[in-house]
Amino acid sequence: AQSVSQHNHHVILSEAASLELGCNYSYGGTVNLFWYVQYPGQHLQLLLKYFSGDPLVKGIKGFEAEFIKSKFSFNLRKPSVQWSDTAEYFCAVNAHQAGTALIFGKGTTLSVSS
Amino acid sequence: GAVVSQHPSWVICKSGTSVKIECRSLDFQATTMFWYRQFPKQSLMLMATSNEGSKATYEQGVEKDKFLINHASLTLSTLTVTSAHPEDSSFYICSARANLGRQSTGELFFGEGSRLTVL
Repeated sequence: AQSVSQHNHHVILSEAASLELGCNYSYGGTVNLFWYVQYPGQHLQLLLKYFSGDPLVKGIKGFEAEFIKSKFSFNLRKPSVQWSDTAEYFCAVNAHQAGTALIFGKGTTLSVSS
Repeated sequence: GAVVSQHPSWVICKSGTSVKIECRSLDFQATTMFWYRQFPKQSLMLMATSNEGSKATYEQGVEKDKFLINHASLTLSTLTVTSAHPEDSSFYICSARANLGRQSTGELFFGEGSRLTVL
């Protein structure tokens, strides 16, 4: 069975600090990988996704993530966070074939102080 | 972009009553929809996979007789919480995958969620 582990439960940063959120998954086959963000009171929005190809994926709002197959990891990064990045971040995975549900990690709460 | 809409966004009901939540894909057809449940400060837990025209597939531990799912058309899936109890209070989120021809490799589009409070 697939599983997703997010190591950081709550991260607190000052504006302009760099961000890295860890995500590891467990699955024996080929996967699709996602990072979603949930701003307070809003629904989930896709930040970025990896299906195949270049393991360094760039998403919206300056976020990027790197897929390291040997480590089963898909860490999210941003060089300089802003106060508006305060949100809940979820890593998710599904099997590469179409038709399967996403399995989510427990989420990481990011709080950015101005 | 693809839009998934849920209704109602907020519902309060008495214990023992049933509540229906609708999930609609507004600008695309969705053969498959997924229902998730999110507890406060926790992740999204997959409840069931809803396939148009067939019975839903429930995850282990989810009572299919309590959480009735109907996917009668390519744009609508409903979740009915039957005989609701306070422990059913939660945030229910649906998501949909567009049919082949539009990002069919895995991306899901999420509804706004429906918060259920059972008194």
